[in-house]
Formats: sequence, structure tokens, C-alpha cells
Amino acid sequence: NAGVTQTPKFQVLKTGQSMTLQCAQDMNHEYMSWYRQDPGMGLRLIHYSVGAGITDQGEVPNGYNVSRSTTEDFPLRLLSAAPSQTSVYFCASRGTVDEQYFGPGTRLTVT
Amino acid sequence: GQQLNQSPQSMFIQEGEDVSMNCTSSSIFNTWLWYKQDPGEGPVLLIALYKAGELTSNGRLTAQFGITRKDSFLNISASIPSDVGIYFCAGRLRAGNNRKLIWGLGTSLAVNP
Repeated sequence: NAGVTQTPKFQVLKTGQSMTLQCAQDMNHEYMSWYRQDPGMGLRLIHYSVGAGITDQGEVPNGYNVSRSTTEDFPLRLLSAAPSQTSVYFCASRGTVDEQYFGPGTRLTVT
Repeated sequence: GQQLNQSPQSMFIQEGEDVSMNCTSSSIFNTWLWYKQDPGEGPVLLIALYKAGELTSNGRLTAQFGITRKDSFLNISASIPSDVGIYFCAGRLRAGNNRKLIWGLGTSLAVNP
């Protein structure tokens, strides 16, 4: 039981490049979400999903896309990276109770 | 977006001291959660609270769900160097039909051995 896994752990992009941050969970959780963490800003919700085929926007969705084709996977796509997207990204999941479990994070730098 | 007021923002203490931090809001919550984030890692759940007045311990950590449902506190007794990290509170609002969590901005704890 690996919990929530994220890849890659580190990534450097040039402005305008695209990439996908991968997230997977093996706990059969319906609810998954993506956060970004910036100094002094806490954890800000980007997108979330309440089940396969259902996604919705969080606080800071601009510049990011998500999809949820399976219960296990919830990838986050940056279509055209910008320096403002330099951040640490966390994927999280939870089941029927509110206890949320986080992945180890992806540290993204956009130059 | 809505946030919780978490205080203090940072603490620097001596090993062995007790620590107290809290989160407050003007809204009513159904759930309070406390997380710890070690440097370079994702947040890890410490304690979950589901009932007003509930007091729950996890080793040297104790957390309480405020009676008014608008606040929660976390205490750490006899701090040790590995308590260093950022502590976050999170809660789920009673109002509305969604399961999004509201997050505090964190309390950064440093422990001097």
C-alpha cells in the first residue's frame, strides 16, 4: 500500500513548455485534489475531483488542467508554463471521512 | 478565498518546552484536522476532530475541537528537536454541500536543542 505517489519529484521547465504532473493513489479514494504551496501562502487548492469523470476548480485554477479517467489517477497539466507557476505541488486524496492524505510533492521551477 | 486564522505564525522554543497553537474562524466547522509538514515532505495528518468539545491525544500532541465549533488548538508537550516543521490546521465548513477543506497558513516551529 503506497498511499499517494507523485512523479516527478523535481522538474525544471522553460517558459512556454508544457508538462504533466502525475498523481496516483491506491486507497480507492473518491476525492482527489491538487494544491500548490508557496512561501507564506499556505496550501492553495488548484483543482479537485469527487470521482472518476468529475472535476472542478479550486481557488487558483488558471493555467492548469486536470482530468480523472480512473479512480486511481489524477494528473495535473500545465499547458504553457509561466514563472508564476514555480511552486511545490501536492496531490492529496481522501475517502468517506475528511482525513486527507498527501503525496511527497513535486518541486517545479519555471525559468 | 476563505482561510483560517492560524497563530502564531512562527515559534522558536527550547527543547523540553510545551507549545500551543490555534486556529480560529468566524464560520462554523464540522471537522478540524491538524497536520505536520517536515522540510521537503508533504503534510502528514496528526489528529482529526469531528465533535465539538472533543479532546484527542496522539503521543505528546493534544488537540481540541472548540465548543463554539469556530476554533481548535494543538498542544505539544515536552518538545524535542524532531518536532521542527510547519503545523497546519484545516477544517470543513458546516455550511454548504461540498467537501473542500479550508486551510490555515501554518505555524513554523523551531526547537533549540
